[in-house]
Amino acid sequence: GNSVTQMEGPVTLSEEAFLTINCTYTATGYPSLFWYVQYPGEGLQLLLKATKADDKGSNKGFEATYRKETTSFHLEKGSVQVSDSAVYFCALAPAVKKLIFGKGTKLSVKP
Amino acid sequence: DSGVTQTPKHLITATGQRVTLRCSPRSGDLSVYWYQQSLDQGLQFLIQYYNGEERAKGNILERFSAQQFPDLHSELNLSSLELGDSALYFCASSELAGGHYEQYFGPGTRLTVT
Repeated sequence: GNSVTQMEGPVTLSEEAFLTINCTYTATGYPSLFWYVQYPGEGLQLLLKATKADDKGSNKGFEATYRKETTSFHLEKGSVQVSDSAVYFCALAPAVKKLIFGKGTKLSVKP
Repeated sequence: DSGVTQTPKHLITATGQRVTLRCSPRSGDLSVYWYQQSLDQGLQFLIQYYNGEERAKGNILERFSAQQFPDLHSELNLSSLELGDSALYFCASSELAGGHYEQYFGPGTRLTVT
């Protein structure tokens, strides 16, 4: 079946540190992959997405590359800020079906 | 602001009761999704409607039901509530029905069952 596994948090970093949040998936076919972010007290927002192998999604300094050979979609940012503190969800969308989310990774960035 | 509205923001009720959560999608979006977020289960897809018709079903209990009305707003009905139903319920909308379309999430309704 389809599933998403992402690293468990919480992840605590200092401002300007490098961020990696690992995400791997199991899917049949060629799903689209997403990262959503949930800031405290808010709903989820799409951060970035990739719809085919080797695509790189990017937004607000975050990047993730769709790697079919390793079934991964790791989220990276070169220099995190305090305002990046949030919960990050990796998700996949099997064609024409619902989103399947990972359990979420809480990121705390200290000044 | 995603453009998706949900009411109420908070709801406190007792076990055995029934509640209705309401969602208005973004203008022009035809598809509505309902999710449940709890500490132990994470974010779980419940059900999807597209232009008034049920499109996909996830981990939705038989005590729960939903519908999408002609004006495209949707309601999630939760009945015979149990303590374990306490959670954050999100509605999301997208332009079309495919899972690869971006979903816009509302702020959620926090349900507390006492």
